[in-house]
Formats: sequence, C-alpha cells, structure tokens
Amino acid sequence: KAGVTQTPRYLIKTRGQQVTLSCSPISGHRSVSWYQQTPGQGLQFLFEYFSETQRNKGNFPGRFSGRQFSNSRSEMNVSTLELGDSALYLCASSPRSSIRTLRSYNEQFFGPGTRLTVL
Amino acid sequence: TQLLEQSPQFLSIQEGENLTVYCNSSSVFSSLQWYRQEPGEGPVLLVTVVTGGEVKKLKRLTFQFGDARKDSSLHITAAQPGDTGLYLCAGLTVSRQGNMLTFGGGTRLMVKP
Repeated sequence: KAGVTQTPRYLIKTRGQQVTLSCSPISGHRSVSWYQQTPGQGLQFLFEYFSETQRNKGNFPGRFSGRQFSNSRSEMNVSTLELGDSALYLCASSPRSSIRTLRSYNEQFFGPGTRLTVL
Repeated sequence: TQLLEQSPQFLSIQEGENLTVYCNSSSVFSSLQWYRQEPGEGPVLLVTVVTGGEVKKLKRLTFQFGDARKDSSLHITAAQPGDTGLYLCAGLTVSRQGNMLTFGGGTRLMVKP
C-alpha cells in the first residue's frame, strides 16, 4: 500500500500571500489530520477531517482552514501568511474517525510533510 | 491545555550505552504513544500504551506508562547508530468532539559509533 503523500514537499512564499497544501491519505483511510511542526512549539494539532467534515480543531487562528474531498484527499489553506507560519506541515491519515475510538487509539500514519518557508 | 514535558531535549551518547527518555504531564491521558521521526520524514508510531503501569517491549526499546497515566518513559538498551532520531511522546485526549493527540517537545537522540 502506498503511504501518505503530501505535495508540494517544499514551498517558499512571502508575507501576505496564501498557500494551499495537499494530502493524499493511504487508500481506504477516511480520517485526515493536519499538524504544524516548528522547532519552538513542536508538533501541534491543527484539525481533523472525516467524511468531508471537520471533526476536531486545534488552537490556531482562522487563517488556517482545510477541507476534505469525497475521495478523502485533503487540503489545508493558510491565508495572509506571516513569518511565524514557517514550519513543517504534516498530514496523518487513519482508517477511522477519532470519534469512534474512545479510550483506545486510532493509529495515525504520517506523510513526509511540506516544508513551508515564509519570507 | 494539556502539556507534555519531555526530557532530556538532547542526548548524545556512544554506541552500546543505555538511555532513558521521560515524558511527564500533570494531566491524565487515555493512552500515550511514542513516535520516532527521522530528518525529512514524518513521525512513525513505535508503540501505544493504554493501561496504567503497562510495560511494552520492542526489541531493545522498553516503554512504560505510569500508574496514574500521567507519565511515560522510553528506555533503550545498548543503543545503536540506527536509533538516532527525534523521539516524540503524544498523549491522547478523548472528548465529544473527537480524540486529539498532544505531543511533547521531543528528544533528539544521537548515537555515535
């Protein structure tokens, strides 16, 4: 099975621009989560999508948004880019929605990430 | 806000040495996961511990979940250069909205041959 793929792998933008990142989950996985990883803040949860609906959201401003398509592929968008948005953006897929797993877990499979640099 | 503190942040050791990485929180988690991340790649799940006091072994790696499910440790025996990487712990929180993983800051391990 192919793993999670993310495009593009590297991106350079300037302040004020917007950016769209793409994630293709493992075939058959319906849940996609997005994370931001920076040296200072570590790995932080952005949001989770399942069946084209946002299920859970982290503590990020409204400039960060996402969506999921009927084939489970997901995109995240960052508008009005700031220097602090420079980070590695990771996508993770899972076979089940996190809502359906209670005390247990649903293993998440991470993609290689998109390295975004904002100048 | 759930916080996970990992220590140490950096660790540089010689091949063959033993080491322990700690993951601590004042909050209770439903379960705790350990990941390893290598440069240019996403984190890869190593293990999940669910029950307080649980111990899991993965070859030379031993994972333990604290009795109160607030802390965890990862012990590596006879470290090898291939163990080099960023080790991340992540606590799972269950809510009506869904589950959420809270990651620790990571421990960057370098094992020198």
